[in-house]
This record gives sequence, C-alpha cells and structure tokens, in this order.
Amino acid sequence: DTAVSQTPKYLVTQMGNDKSIKCEQNLGHDTMYWYKQDSKKFLKIMFSYNNKELIINETVPNRFSPKSPDKAHLNLHINSLELGDSAVYFCASSQEVSNQPQHFGDGTRLSIL
Amino acid sequence: GDSVTQMEGPVTLSEEAFLTINCTYTATGYPSLFWYVQYPGEGLQLLLKATKADDKGSNKGFEATYRKETTSFHLEKGSVQVSDSAVYFCALSDRGGTSYGKLTFGQGTILTVHP
Repeated sequence: DTAVSQTPKYLVTQMGNDKSIKCEQNLGHDTMYWYKQDSKKFLKIMFSYNNKELIINETVPNRFSPKSPDKAHLNLHINSLELGDSAVYFCASSQEVSNQPQHFGDGTRLSIL
Repeated sequence: GDSVTQMEGPVTLSEEAFLTINCTYTATGYPSLFWYVQYPGEGLQLLLKATKADDKGSNKGFEATYRKETTSFHLEKGSVQVSDSAVYFCALSDRGGTSYGKLTFGQGTILTVHP
C-alpha cells in the first residue's frame, strides 16, 4: 500500500511546454507539500496546503500553480517550462501539527530538453 | 529565518566504522528536529525525530540528541553497514508563526560505506 504516490515518476519534455504532476496520499493527513530537489540534492519547500487551503507559498515563479481538489490530492501544474525547472519534485503529507513527521512520495524527475 | 547546517560530504567509511554527521540549526521558535534518509532513486524516509530539548531519537542503530544549548542534533551510529549508504538530511520544523509544519532542510550528506 503506497502511502504517498506521485505520477509520473519520470517526465521528459521540451522547453515551453506545460506539464502536471499528480500526488495522492492515503494516510488521512490534512496537510500536503511540494518540495524541489536540485542537482546538488538540496531540498526546498515550494507550497503547502492544509485542508485544501494554501498556507505556504515560498518564492516560486507564477508558472507553478498547485491545486488541491480535496485533502488527499495536491497536484502541481507548471506552465512554460524552462531549463532551470529540471529537478526532482517531491510531494509529502503530514498531520497538521508541526512535530509530526512528513511522509514523502518517491519523487518525479523532471528533465527539460 | 530558520536554517540548518550539516557537515560537508561526501563521507566514505568502511563497514563497522563509527559514524557521526554533524547538524546545527537556527530557529526563532521551538523547533522539532528530524533526520531523514534518502536511498538511491527513492523518496525521503523519516529516520528519527526529537521534539524537545534533551530528547533522544533512535532507530535502526542511529541516534541523535536534541541539544538546545549548542543548537545541535548530530547523527551517530556505532557500526555502519553497506546498506546504510544513502543521503542523510537534517531538518527542522518550527511550530511558531506561519511555518505551519514547513520543513527546513540541511544540504544533505552523502554517505558511502565500503565492505
């Protein structure tokens, strides 16, 4: 039983295209996150949703738009992809209180040609 | 703002050697501290956590103690195995303000263990 699942696992596309990454969690958590991991393994939060409401929005270009249709899903849509968007994107979820650990998906490796 | 600093890697050890990965932090509130591990091609997994000063987190032979006086959360293991080869991330989650569970990560330390 996969707790946090992301699709697709790999995404190779051309510059300028629009793409989406989907994330679903079956843990009953009410908070979900998107993180970006660069080529040096550095992880940085992008967005966080609690009960479908956006609560964290770090300095991320407007081309990135998260959407949470319900508590169990948080999708990431990216418009006009650029070379610098190449990275691994991780979805995570947790219960609301901050001392609860986050559970991560296996990541989506995005490569821009 | 919050920040986490880990020792520079990569770290290469022989099997059964002692491991220490240093981690220090700065935070405005009362953070919870975590160590996550990332095996090749996988997502992050929680290794251990500590939620208040002097707490010790432990799992799979790894240990870390929340030291408020030195703002540190160093990871240790007495005898590493080849299967411990992975990237290790120290992280904090600050309960205050609008952090709302956001994890702030250190830069990661790549550990390679040779037979």
